[in-house]
Amino acid sequence: ETGVTQSPTHLIKTRGQQVTLRCSSQSGHNTVSWYQQALGQGPQFIFQYYREEENGRGNFPPRFSGLQFPNYSSELNVNALELDDSALYLCASSLRQGSNYGYTFGSGTRLTIV
Amino acid sequence: QKEVEQNSGPLSVPEGAIASLNCTYSDRGSQSFFWYRQYSGKSPELIMFIYSNGDKEDGRFTAQLNKASQYVSLLIRDSQPSDSATYLCALTGSNYKLTFGKGTLLTVNP
Repeated sequence: ETGVTQSPTHLIKTRGQQVTLRCSSQSGHNTVSWYQQALGQGPQFIFQYYREEENGRGNFPPRFSGLQFPNYSSELNVNALELDDSALYLCASSLRQGSNYGYTFGSGTRLTIV
Repeated sequence: QKEVEQNSGPLSVPEGAIASLNCTYSDRGSQSFFWYRQYSGKSPELIMFIYSNGDKEDGRFTAQLNKASQYVSLLIRDSQPSDSATYLCALTGSNYKLTFGKGTLLTVNP
């Protein structure tokens, strides 16, 4: 059984650019969530996908968008990057939405905006 | 009031002692509660989850939940230097999203 994998591990972008981050969920998990973790803070919920549909979104602007594919892998896209977007981006998968058994996190993508 | 609040820390305990981490939450509709451990530069790792009032024990870890007081805690017995990390309290409600506290940095001194 494979865990949650994310790519790339590190990325440096300049303001105004666009970025795509990728996530492969744990085998059998159909729900994927994305989180942003700024330095010294807890992870903040961006959005969640269940069976290819977005079914929850946090307080993030529309320039944060995502996709989930039939194999349950997912992408996070961020347009018009800002300096404050610098953070650790975490993908988490779970067996089903609203899981009482927790979410498994990937190792994250460290995004730096210069 | 923040949705999830954790004791501010940092918390420092000697090796072998009990470390007590606390968390309060504002939404009475919260259903499931989680404790994650996060080492510096790494992703969160699930330690325990609890969704019924009372205590739940797993090895050296005990989670305690009191829904009436909107309080959840994590006790780490016989603390080891390898337990030094940031501990994140999180919960889910009817909207399924995980809501995290800011975390408490624990240092276990040899």
